[in-house]
Amino acid sequence: AQSVTQPDIHITVSEGASLELRCNYSYGATPYLFWYVQSPGQGLQLLLKYFSGDTLVQGIKGFEAEFKRSQSSFNLRKPSVHWSDAAEYFCAVAPYQAGTALIFGKGTTLSVSS
Amino acid sequence: DAGVIQSPRHEVTEMGQEVTLRCKPISGHDYLFWYRQTMMRGLELLIYFNNNVPIDDSGMPEDRFSAKMPNASFSTLKIQPSEPRDSAVYFCASSPDSSGSYEQYFGPGTRLTVT
Repeated sequence: AQSVTQPDIHITVSEGASLELRCNYSYGATPYLFWYVQSPGQGLQLLLKYFSGDTLVQGIKGFEAEFKRSQSSFNLRKPSVHWSDAAEYFCAVAPYQAGTALIFGKGTTLSVSS
Repeated sequence: DAGVIQSPRHEVTEMGQEVTLRCKPISGHDYLFWYRQTMMRGLELLIYFNNNVPIDDSGMPEDRFSAKMPNASFSTLKIQPSEPRDSAVYFCASSPDSSGSYEQYFGPGTRLTVT
């Protein structure tokens, strides 16, 4: 069965430091991959997505993610974290084509220290 | 566009009562999804619709849960009777059909507390 693993439940990063959030998926073929962010009390917002092509994708708010087929990973990165980036981040997989269900990881909570 | 609209935002009810959650998807979106979020299980898909037709309801926990989409602009998720273990945040999301974006747009969620 398809699954998404986010190994880090909680990460704390100093403001201005770099960030990397890990995501691994289990699926035979290359699925569609997504990163969402959820601020407290809010719904989920799409940060970026990967379908094919260039394995480094750029998203909103200065985030980027790199797809590595050999590692079945899709890690999220940001070179310099801002206090407003504190939120919960979800990696998701769409194992099928457009419009069908997403499988979400359990999420990683990011705290930003000053 | 107002985005996906959910109501109510918060619901507190007693065990055994019927609960109805409502969702208005983004106009023109052909897919609608209902998710449940809990600390223990994370985000789980309950059911999704395509053009108002239920496609996959395998995530619906049990017969106490039902969902309808009578038209393209409205969907409900009903729990009858409700139980304390149903306490969670319920999200509705919508998605355009084959537009190439594959993006699901989430509503703000309904926080349900069953006492």
